[in-house]
Amino acid sequence: GDSVTQMEGPVTLSEEAFLTINCTYTATGYPSLFWYVQYPGEGLQLLLKATKADDKGSNKGFEATYRKETTSFHLEKGSVQVSDSAVYFCALVASGSRLTFGEGTQLTVNP
Amino acid sequence: NAGVTQTPKFQVLKTGQSMTLQCAQDMNHEYMSWYRQDPGMGLRLIHYSVGAGITDQGEVPNGYNVSRSTTEDFPLRLLSAAPSQTSVYFCASSLSPILAGASGEQYFGPGTRLTVT
Repeated sequence: GDSVTQMEGPVTLSEEAFLTINCTYTATGYPSLFWYVQYPGEGLQLLLKATKADDKGSNKGFEATYRKETTSFHLEKGSVQVSDSAVYFCALVASGSRLTFGEGTQLTVNP
Repeated sequence: NAGVTQTPKFQVLKTGQSMTLQCAQDMNHEYMSWYRQDPGMGLRLIHYSVGAGITDQGEVPNGYNVSRSTTEDFPLRLLSAAPSQTSVYFCASSLSPILAGASGEQYFGPGTRLTVT
């Protein structure tokens, strides 16, 4: 079945550091890929998405590129801020039109 | 708009007790769903509804019931709580099932943290 694997957390960075959160997937066909973010005390929000190979999703300084050859969708940001502290979820939609989530990665950014 | 609201935020139950987790949205969304979030397992779909009067099972439906008598409300019932149901529960909604799936555009509530002892 469909599955998403994220790098283990938690991740702790200093402000202005470079961020990478790895995400790889297994799916039938050609899935759409997403990153969701959950800020403390809030629900999940869609951060960015990519619907076909080589697409790059971007939002709020975050980027992720749909790599079909490596079945990956790694999240990156060049300079993180304290306000980026949150839990980040990678997800996909393939067969069945249902979201399949990864386990989430806790990011803490220290000033 | 309040978006998606969930009550309560926290709940502790004893094994065998019953309770209802409330979920409401004021965006006139057709599609609503319930997920549970467990450490190391991401979010898993419990039940979903594509409109008032229509519900269906997701990936982990056992031990939970739902109903959708109105567009706005989608309560989740635990008839006899078990420790395995200790989790964080999220309700989500989307304008349509197609948007929910193909575009990932789901709006999530803040969650209910449930502990069953």
